[in-house]
Amino acid sequence: LAKTTQPISMDSYEGQEVNITCSHNNIATNDYITWYQQFPSQGPRFIIQGYKTKVTNEVASLFIPADRKSSTLSLPRVSLSDTAVYYCLVGDIISSGSARQLTFGSGTQLTVLP
Amino acid sequence: DVKVTQSSRYLVKRTGEKVFLECVQDMDHENMFWYRQDPGLGLRLIYFSYDVKMKEKGDIPEGYSVSREKKERFSLILESASTNQTSMYLCASSPPRTRTGTDTQYFGPGTRLTVL
Repeated sequence: LAKTTQPISMDSYEGQEVNITCSHNNIATNDYITWYQQFPSQGPRFIIQGYKTKVTNEVASLFIPADRKSSTLSLPRVSLSDTAVYYCLVGDIISSGSARQLTFGSGTQLTVLP
Repeated sequence: DVKVTQSSRYLVKRTGEKVFLECVQDMDHENMFWYRQDPGLGLRLIYFSYDVKMKEKGDIPEGYSVSREKKERFSLILESASTNQTSMYLCASSPPRTRTGTDTQYFGPGTRLTVL
């Protein structure tokens, strides 16, 4: 079971790049790494997913080193509206039914200051 | 847009009551999940279902059961509610990665359950 560790909180200023790292030393070969964003009173929302190297979409980048024991979510030029809790999720869902355990980190509270 | 709805935003029950939490998704997703979220512990998977009538235990299934009679609906059942089951319960659904290339989970808004 891949246990994940994230910083509890981070502060940043508007316009800065923010990097949040998640450690997952026991990641399994088939596990993917997914990051979610959660605002108060809402369910988490998907940001980005990757398996190895670098993945980029319109809102974030995900960096995964060769050993895959950690991953870094990068948010470019954050704004006040990016204040939220960010979770990394490590695991794999196999549609055939051999469900793998999904391990969420305890989340990182990002606060963006003006 | 994918929509995952949960039957209640807030629920108050008494110890020993049987509690049903309902979740419905409208995107024909095969996979559905129930999590609980507690401060400092993040999200923990209770049960997972990959098809109608199919279920798999997650990390913390004790004290819970589930039912999936129709593809769009996944119910979480607390047979005899206890105070330590006071929590935020989140439902999610996802398509299989084989179909979309990713297993993004879409979450409902959550049900805050208080057991007195």
